Amino acid sequence: DAKTTQPNSMESNEEEPVHLPCNHSTISGTDYIHWYRQLPSQGPEYVIHGLTSNVNNRMASLAIAEDRKSSTLILHRATLRDAAVYYCILRSRGNEKLTFGTGTRLTIIP
Amino acid sequence: NAGVMQNPRHLVRRRGQEARLRCSPMKGHSHVYWYRQLPEEGLKFMVYLQKENIIDESGMPKERFSAEFPKEGPSILRIQQVVRGDSAAYFCASSAFVSSGGNTGELFFGEGSRLTVL
Repeated sequence: DAKTTQPNSMESNEEEPVHLPCNHSTISGTDYIHWYRQLPSQGPEYVIHGLTSNVNNRMASLAIAEDRKSSTLILHRATLRDAAVYYCILRSRGNEKLTFGTGTRLTIIP
Repeated sequence: NAGVMQNPRHLVRRRGQEARLRCSPMKGHSHVYWYRQLPEEGLKFMVYLQKENIIDESGMPKERFSAEFPKEGPSILRIQQVVRGDSAAYFCASSAFVSSGGNTGELFFGEGSRLTVL
């Protein structure tokens, strides 16, 4: 699987938008960009995924660069409950498993 | 619709004993994955199973560890002769069948089983 690079940690104020970056310069044409997050003492949960176009769902938005070498997960209005480790993962078509990196630890400041 | 159920949530074993971790996937899901997370580290893939078949065990230690997903019943991760280094959180995930035309299968994770080896 192609590798992703994320900042180790980020902080954001409560009720502010948060932009979590991810670099994946070696992404291939069949790689989907997935985001999961892991809240403290819990299992990971799916956030969003995309291939080429920007995506929105009830949890977040995913902005994908035109060359697909980077992407940004956007939390529109952070709450304390969004404090978690966020993982950006490339998943190639036909590859069922997810390979987790070290992720970004997001701290929300009240 | 119940989520992925793992039990026990916490398990304490002495060195040399066996640990059995169980995972019931979400209803209708036929794919099961096991991950291990050491304290303060990321999740490491161990094994991927479909009903009665091991598909990918590239992350599974060669000795003492085994996994199964029988036709009936939960998936089992078995660790024989546990050592202190096996202390970790073990997460199970499940997904529905993914068509060959795309790859949109979301993985649903359980709450994990936390193994402590004394």
